[in-house]
Amino acid sequence: GESVGLHLPTLSVQEGDNSIINCAYSNSASDYFIWYKQESGKGPQFIIDIRSNMDKRQGQRVTVLLNKTVKHLSLQIAATQPGDSAVYFCAEMDGSNYKLTFGKGTLLTVNP
Amino acid sequence: KAGVTQTPRYLIKTRGQQVTLSCSPISGHRSVSWYQQTPGQGLQFLFEYFSETQRNKGNFPGRFSGRQFSNSRSEMNVSTLELGDSALYLCASSPGSYRGYTFGSGTRLTVV
Repeated sequence: GESVGLHLPTLSVQEGDNSIINCAYSNSASDYFIWYKQESGKGPQFIIDIRSNMDKRQGQRVTVLLNKTVKHLSLQIAATQPGDSAVYFCAEMDGSNYKLTFGKGTLLTVNP
Repeated sequence: KAGVTQTPRYLIKTRGQQVTLSCSPISGHRSVSWYQQTPGQGLQFLFEYFSETQRNKGNFPGRFSGRQFSNSRSEMNVSTLELGDSALYLCASSPGSYRGYTFGSGTRLTVV
């Protein structure tokens, strides 16, 4: 039978709404963070990154916020579209070990 | 600009066999990392190479190995395949530290 997968948090929003996806990271030494989007059958797609010397960074329709005090990262997507439906992963890196550590992901579903 | 290319896309192997997967990074990128993605464990780091040197290795058995060539192309090898090695194997390339990691579409390995 099928293996039991990770229990993914899910977020369901209406088209046009803003979405906020949250991520808690574990390593206080992490100094670089990336958000990825993964659609079924594809590899993770880079969305936006942020270094630990910043609190906020904006891209096209996306904003990443970093709170180092509580080790929390969030991704805000403005005017969410059906094409944004995917699994979103945060990843952290301690620059001295060249290794990305991924969260378990959040499934975003956008309803038209 | 060509993205990260992984070959083959799909592979079916029998327990006990070995397999070699290939990754061609984005032109100019010297860092190549490998990740295993399964429903149960999510995305896990295998190893990272830079200029033909392995800089970090994840917690996988010695059956998993890799190498990088002088043109930055990388291969990973899994010997004595087990059913649990069935996974999506992803390769990511980067031009350097804190500059984003771009993933390929992955190789879907099925061990029967």
